[in-house]
Amino acid sequence: GEEVAQTPKHLVRGEGQKAKLYCAPIKGHSYVFWYQQVLKNEFKFLISFQNENVFDETGMPKERFSAKCLPNSPCSLEIQATKLEDSAVYFCASSQSRLGDYGYTFGSGTRLTVV
Amino acid sequence: AQSVTQLDSHVSVSEGTPVLLRCNYSSSYSPSLFWYVQHPNKGLQLLLKYTSAATLVKGINGFEAEFKKSETSFHLTKPSAHMSDAAEYFCVVSDPASSNTGKLIFGQGTTLQVKP
Repeated sequence: GEEVAQTPKHLVRGEGQKAKLYCAPIKGHSYVFWYQQVLKNEFKFLISFQNENVFDETGMPKERFSAKCLPNSPCSLEIQATKLEDSAVYFCASSQSRLGDYGYTFGSGTRLTVV
Repeated sequence: AQSVTQLDSHVSVSEGTPVLLRCNYSSSYSPSLFWYVQHPNKGLQLLLKYTSAATLVKGINGFEAEFKKSETSFHLTKPSAHMSDAAEYFCVVSDPASSNTGKLIFGQGTTLQVKP
């Protein structure tokens, strides 16, 4: 079946280095969401897009995090000058509707380790 | 503000016995509710969703959940546990009244252990 493709699966960065994560949503899904799973049971919302437009960025630490969803390209989440506390699994999800009437499909995540 | 509480951090059952994972929410009168499962080092898989249609929702792998507005609950059940059900389960809410952007609120998760 269709899936949300996240790359890379694992990423190791030294403190202060840049990290860039990618997400290809399911074709036809207009909404993309990024979440950060810091501890096993703690999910934090980061940002959402409707097509290439930012819809809600209230969860983004704006001084170091940025994200884009450009036409005909995977969406990306970039962290400038990574910190140890950025170590987490980053999940991308896509949906046909903003409010999840058809559910949200999650990717398998990118595990970022900052050393 | 909306919130989700999973009442048990850890549930242990024997294979072949029923599963009950409890979830209570605090939300507006018409939230969307979901159960997701996460196997170790894997992504989140949607088990089922409630979006204001039938209150008894059937999902994949024999799971079902019932939306009870009066109890603000959305408990997940399965008649007979299988070893492959061992995983982390998350109850998730999307409340359009307080977050019109589709932002999801996750419960703390319940670890399901299935013993042979």
